[in-house]
Amino acid sequence: DAGVIQSPRHEVTEMGQEVTLRCKPISGHDYLFWYRQTMMRGLELLIYFNNNVPIDDSGMPEDRFSAKMPNASFSTLKIQPSEPRDSAVYFCASSPTENRIYGYTFGSGTRLTVV
Amino acid sequence: QQQVKQSPQSLIVQKGGISIINCAYENTAFDYFPWYQQFPGKGPALLIAIRPDVSEKKEGRFTISFNKSAKQFSLHIMDSQPGDSATYFCAARMDSNYQLIWGAGTKLIIKP
Repeated sequence: DAGVIQSPRHEVTEMGQEVTLRCKPISGHDYLFWYRQTMMRGLELLIYFNNNVPIDDSGMPEDRFSAKMPNASFSTLKIQPSEPRDSAVYFCASSPTENRIYGYTFGSGTRLTVV
Repeated sequence: QQQVKQSPQSLIVQKGGISIINCAYENTAFDYFPWYQQFPGKGPALLIAIRPDVSEKKEGRFTISFNKSAKQFSLHIMDSQPGDSATYFCAARMDSNYQLIWGAGTKLIIKP
């Protein structure tokens, strides 16, 4: 398996533009998580899905953020409109139901810079 | 109650020395405590994990020590190597909830 695949790896956009981050989880994993990482706030859980259904989106900063998982092999995180404070590394992670054994598998992240 | 407190924020250890990172929690419902390792430009990766029914777990040079009464757990890296230089995160999880509660991370530098 190629692991969790995120695209793009880097994104530079202007304030006010729409940004879409993409994730392909590991086949067979039931859970998908979107995290944001910054120096100031560390790893923040934004939202997670179980079997393509959003379970907890309480970490989504505000209405400018939205996430979808239309099928088991694809998820998107959208920011519209983007702001400079959204600059961060965004990680997608997936896990099987029994993640105490296998843990979460993270993608390599998307580094977002909003100028 | 949901927090996991991690210390130190950064750590410098000489090659061959022992690196020790500590974490503390409040919620006694936590029943799974993993450690993740993150290299620059990569996502965190599971390193080692422990359940509260054991006091120690060892995998190679990495050991988790768990003190249930004190609600503390720590990661020990024996014979630390420059390749161990990374950021380490502790975390905790309840059986009823698939979310991990993360520590703030420790940046470890091993000096050759």
